[in-house]
Amino acid sequence: DTAVSQTPKYLVTQMGNDKSIKCEQNLGHDTMYWYKQDSKKFLKIMFSYNNKELIINETVPNRFSPKSPDKAHLNLHINSLELGDSAVYFCASSQEKRGYTFGSGTRLTVV
Amino acid sequence: GQNIDQPTEMTATEGAIVQINCTYQTSGFNGLFWYQQHAGEAPTFLSYNVLDGLEEKGRFSSFLSRSKGYSYLLLKELQMKDSASYLCAVRDDQAGTALIFGKGTTLSVSS
Repeated sequence: DTAVSQTPKYLVTQMGNDKSIKCEQNLGHDTMYWYKQDSKKFLKIMFSYNNKELIINETVPNRFSPKSPDKAHLNLHINSLELGDSAVYFCASSQEKRGYTFGSGTRLTVV
Repeated sequence: GQNIDQPTEMTATEGAIVQINCTYQTSGFNGLFWYQQHAGEAPTFLSYNVLDGLEEKGRFSSFLSRSKGYSYLLLKELQMKDSASYLCAVRDDQAGTALIFGKGTTLSVSS
């Protein structure tokens, strides 16, 4: 059983398209996150979300929007994709007094 | 805001000991984490410190000094498989529950 699973693993798309990345966790954690890892391997928080609060990193363009149908899912929707959006996107989850668990990543390539 | 610094690259030989340093500046410190990330894979949890002192787990140990804003990860009896990126991350209550990562240290272990 994969604790945090995200799909797809690879995504190649053209500039201007809209795409979504899905994330599901079966750990019963309260909070989920999206991180972006650029070509220099720097992991940067984009969003954190629990059923009460969404915290957005102010540097994230509003073309990016998280959508959470329920506590176990946090999907990432991206509008009007740009070349600079190419990166690896990691979903993660956490629970107070427990660790953080990361998904295996989605490598997005915008051409 | 937060500022987390760690060396970009380090090299070592099999069987040796290596220490990876991390300094941080945060407003509401609430724990420091070390993660290991192999190329193309998700970050995996190594250690967690919230109180001053040394935490030992097998070949890996992590130290924290909150007054100095300083941590290190100590890897003993290095193996080739330890070649990876090592990510220092802090939890800052002023920034919600998300982990804030440093830029990572790429460790290369040679025979």
